[in-house]
Amino acid sequence: EAQVTQNPRYLITVTGKKLTVTCSQNMNHEYMSWYRQDPGLGLRQIYYSMNVEVTDKGDVPEGYKVSRKEKRNFPLILESPSPNQTSLYFCASQRTNDYEQYFGPGTRLTVT
Amino acid sequence: KNEVEQSPQNLTAQEGEFITINCSYSVGISALHWLQQHPGGGIVSLFMLSSGKKKHGRLIATINIQEKHSSLHITASHPRDSAVYICAVRSRYGGATNKLIFGTGTLLAVQP
Repeated sequence: EAQVTQNPRYLITVTGKKLTVTCSQNMNHEYMSWYRQDPGLGLRQIYYSMNVEVTDKGDVPEGYKVSRKEKRNFPLILESPSPNQTSLYFCASQRTNDYEQYFGPGTRLTVT
Repeated sequence: KNEVEQSPQNLTAQEGEFITINCSYSVGISALHWLQQHPGGGIVSLFMLSSGKKKHGRLIATINIQEKHSSLHITASHPRDSAVYICAVRSRYGGATNKLIFGTGTLLAVQP
């Protein structure tokens, strides 16, 4: 089954404790993105990747890092999480720029 | 003013009603997406369109490029259609950035 998976689905952590949210897709898609969703603000892009070893900042990259060492994986790293990073995070992938996006199930992160 | 505006923000309908959700945008685009998000659930791509009209089951999406406007119609609405519907556009001038600009969504509740 074609899918995008994210782990963990739920995470409660404390300020400053490094964490990684994994994202994996099995569709051999080139493009992958990370978004955060906040009430009243909608979805905002954090980082995106057009292919292996090619990543760039989206609209709200501060406080986040990503890597794309393999085509299927695109982890999101929070080196020192802060409460303002409490949000619902989505990973997405697509074949190229002109195709629909497939979204992961979401990761609800709470930073206390 | 947001680059992508949706209306209404909230919509309550009775089962069986015909529903229309509108999306207006202010940038030149290469494609427009309609997404569906169920409460507590992930995001599913409903349509991607760059001109004309697309139909899938009881859902119809139209776009008028000249007027920078799109509509999502649901015929014979059902309580299982209750969800947040999100409009997103891909800027024509985004180059290879793969950037989607999202509306804040329309919360639809269909009552039996």
